[in-house]
Amino acid sequence: KQEVTQIPAALSVPEGENLVLNCSFTDSAIYNLQWFRQDPGKGLTSLLLIQSSQREQTSGRLNASLDKSSGRSTLYIAASQPGDSATYLCAVQISAGTYKYIFGTGTRLKVLA
Amino acid sequence: NAGVMQNPRHLVRRRGQEARLRCSPMKGHSHVYWYRQLPEEGLKFMVYLQKENIIDESGMPKERFSAEFPKEGPSILRIQQVVRGDSAAYFCASSRGRQETQYFGPGTRLLVL
Repeated sequence: KQEVTQIPAALSVPEGENLVLNCSFTDSAIYNLQWFRQDPGKGLTSLLLIQSSQREQTSGRLNASLDKSSGRSTLYIAASQPGDSATYLCAVQISAGTYKYIFGTGTRLKVLA
Repeated sequence: NAGVMQNPRHLVRRRGQEARLRCSPMKGHSHVYWYRQLPEEGLKFMVYLQKENIIDESGMPKERFSAEFPKEGPSILRIQQVVRGDSAAYFCASSRGRQETQYFGPGTRLLVL
């Protein structure tokens, strides 16, 4: 059974720091992995999607890597800003059956001005 | 091209009432997934539907919950005789096909008093 874990659960950093959010999953048979941002009381904003055959994806100050064999993904945020404060969710799409998404519980990030 | 639409965005019900949540998928998408997010948790899969068919309802409580996706109109998630524990954000996602990226709606936040 696929399980997704995100560490740390919460993180507080001063503005300008580079930071890494971690996501691990128990079954390497995934179809893709996606990172989302969720602001309090809001919906999901897709940040980066990594197909299972890819190793990383980049968008602006964000870089996500994927190591399927070890069951890990990292989201790197460069030069953090207060506007980056949000909860970051990692989700894997299983590669069989319904192709549903399995979500982690998220990392709550606070960037201090 | 409008994204996934959900309504209402907020819904308040008293214990014992019924809640109906609607999801209109993106144009050209015939696959709908429903996920539930309890407070301070990640999203959890509930049910997967294609037009007029329930494909997988393994994540849906056996009682009081039902879902449909008729030939015409939105997908409906129905919760009968709501209880306080049903208070959560309910997200709908749609895709073109089973092995395609899912696009998430803004969610419906249900509060049961």
